[in-house]
Amino acid sequence: EAQVTQNPRYLITVTGKKLTVTCSQNMNHEYMSWYRQDPGLGLRQIYYSMNVEVTDKGDVPEGYKVSRKEKRNFPLILESPSPNQTSLYFCASSLFGELFFGEGSRLTVL
Amino acid sequence: DAKTTQPTSMDCAEGRAANLPCNHSTISGNEYVYWYRQIHSQGPQYIIHGLKNNETNEMASLIITEDRKSSTLILPHATLRDTAVYYCIVAPFSGGYNKLIFGAGTRLAVHP
Repeated sequence: EAQVTQNPRYLITVTGKKLTVTCSQNMNHEYMSWYRQDPGLGLRQIYYSMNVEVTDKGDVPEGYKVSRKEKRNFPLILESPSPNQTSLYFCASSLFGELFFGEGSRLTVL
Repeated sequence: DAKTTQPTSMDCAEGRAANLPCNHSTISGNEYVYWYRQIHSQGPQYIIHGLKNNETNEMASLIITEDRKSSTLILPHATLRDTAVYYCIVAPFSGGYNKLIFGAGTRLAVHP
């Protein structure tokens, strides 16, 4: 089944404790992206990647890092999480314009 | 800046057609109209997209006006499972991807 898989789905952590949210897709898509969704602010793009080793900033990249060492994986790294990064995160991949989203990762930073 | 304008919310009776409007008066010639929906807090789901011709797939129909300044998403026989937030997005398609900017969308409530 074609899918985008994110882990963890839920996480509560504390300020400053590094964490990684993994994202994997099995559709051989070149394009992958991370979004965060906050009440009243909609979905905002954090980072995206056009292909392996090619990444670029989206609209809200501050406080996040990404890497794209393999086509299927696009992890989101929070080096020093802060409470304002409490949000619902979505990973997505695309081949010809249609975005496939993961189920989301709900992150709470205390 | 949002490129589309949608009603905040709409209601529809189960089994009836749901017609969701979208205004995109500043759409450029190379921009497509995309529709996605999001059920509760699940990941958004692609529905349909079009450039200037009307489009239909197993989920919905997309009607784009001749001047391309507005469009309507039609769910022909709405069910309770179609209750969701529907996003209308305009974006160019190039290089194998497009940057989709999600606005507030229309919250569709389908009732029995």
